[in-house]
Amino acid sequence: EDQVTQSPEALRLQEGESSSLNCSYTVSGLRGLFWYRQDPGKGPEFLFTLYSAGEEKEKERLKATLTKKESFLHITAPKPEDSATYLCAVQAEANAGGTSYGKLTFGQGTILTVHP
Amino acid sequence: KAGVTQTPRYLIKTRGQQVTLSCSPISGHRSVSWYQQTPGQGLQFLFEYFSETQRNKGNFPGRFSGRQFSNSRSEMNVSTLELGDSALYLCASSLAWTSGWTDTQYFGPGTRLTVL
Repeated sequence: EDQVTQSPEALRLQEGESSSLNCSYTVSGLRGLFWYRQDPGKGPEFLFTLYSAGEEKEKERLKATLTKKESFLHITAPKPEDSATYLCAVQAEANAGGTSYGKLTFGQGTILTVHP
Repeated sequence: KAGVTQTPRYLIKTRGQQVTLSCSPISGHRSVSWYQQTPGQGLQFLFEYFSETQRNKGNFPGRFSGRQFSNSRSEMNVSTLELGDSALYLCASSLAWTSGWTDTQYFGPGTRLTVL
């Protein structure tokens, strides 16, 4: 069964204090790994898609990296508006006779709080 | 370009009732997936529809069902509501889901269902 584990569960940072969030995954075959940001009471907002080990993507203060077993979301010089829950999800290859259409398996998320 | 829209945003029902939630995907997107989000279980995949056909289904009881219309809009229905069905129900759309192509899913704001 596909599994995604995120750590830490919660992270408190001072404004400008850089850090990383971890996403460990176990899948039979990886089709894609996704990072989302979710604010309270809202739907997840797409950040990045990574497809293969060694791939990196950046957007403003965020950088996502991927290895064969885990992904990191690096946050450089965070600001209070970066406070949110960050979710990692994987899209797995279909098992024999099965299908993976439309199914993302999510981790429990990391709650990030950035203090001014 | 308008994002994914979901109606209603909030619902309060009592045990034993049934409920229908609606989702309008991003224009041009043909795949719609549904997820249930609870504090204890996180985001869990319900089902996925493409071209009016359910192509994948998660591990939920038969009380949870859905359909997709020719314009790609989708509905999900929950019959005989239970207290444990209280959750945020999220809809996500993507361009298409074809073999060998991993699509990014974009989420709507969700419908908050409370069962009393």
